[in-house]
Amino acid sequence: DIQMTQYPPSLSASVGDRVILTCRTSQNINRYLNWYQQKPGKAPKLLIYGASTLQSGVPSRFSGSGSGTDFTLTISSLQPEDFATYFCQQSYSTRTFGQGTKVEIK
Amino acid sequence: EVQVVESGGGSVQPGGSLRLSCVASGFRFDDYAMHWVRQAPGKGLEWVSGISWNSGDIGYAASVRGRFTISRDNAKNSLYLQMHSLRDEDTALYYCAKESPDRWARYYDSWGQGTLVTVSS
Repeated sequence: DIQMTQYPPSLSASVGDRVILTCRTSQNINRYLNWYQQKPGKAPKLLIYGASTLQSGVPSRFSGSGSGTDFTLTISSLQPEDFATYFCQQSYSTRTFGQGTKVEIK
Repeated sequence: EVQVVESGGGSVQPGGSLRLSCVASGFRFDDYAMHWVRQAPGKGLEWVSGISWNSGDIGYAASVRGRFTISRDNAKNSLYLQMHSLRDEDTALYYCAKESPDRWARYYDSWGQGTLVTVSS
């Protein structure tokens, strides 16, 4: 199975900060990388698919980049509603998720 | 409105069995692969199993292979997960997810609210 490594595991940031989350895979997955946001007690929500395509309805402050084994999710200006846990997922082969990055208020 | 709704969770003793169901609406069910994803309390997401639109392609996580069986009934817009030989570590919220395809992507664009499975003596 493809291993996923997300870092940092958690971070503290302030409203308005630019935040960059990283996901690394154990082998080349081209662009088969998705990002989800999850808030406590809620189902995950799709943000980005195909490494960089913004899901309909997701604010443009979210962006994704990368290909191969290294990927990033960037939040250009953190908003109060963005404090949540973010998971990456590969869909190149048998699906796997990263361990998540928890974005907390500083 | 696209919707998937899980049911069938509950409390069961180790070694027991349970069958989860997921009913879909608002989209053409037999056009899409469907998956089960679980989340243990306070933990991350774990892919459990997936099934193609025609049941021709099925996969399982190593942690459940041989114990869980995924199936679907397109006539009933329903997805199932039969779970046997349940273990403490199977305790989790089980989500049903619709998988959509794209040129460089396959992604979960609809999730249910989950059904809780608790394995405990």
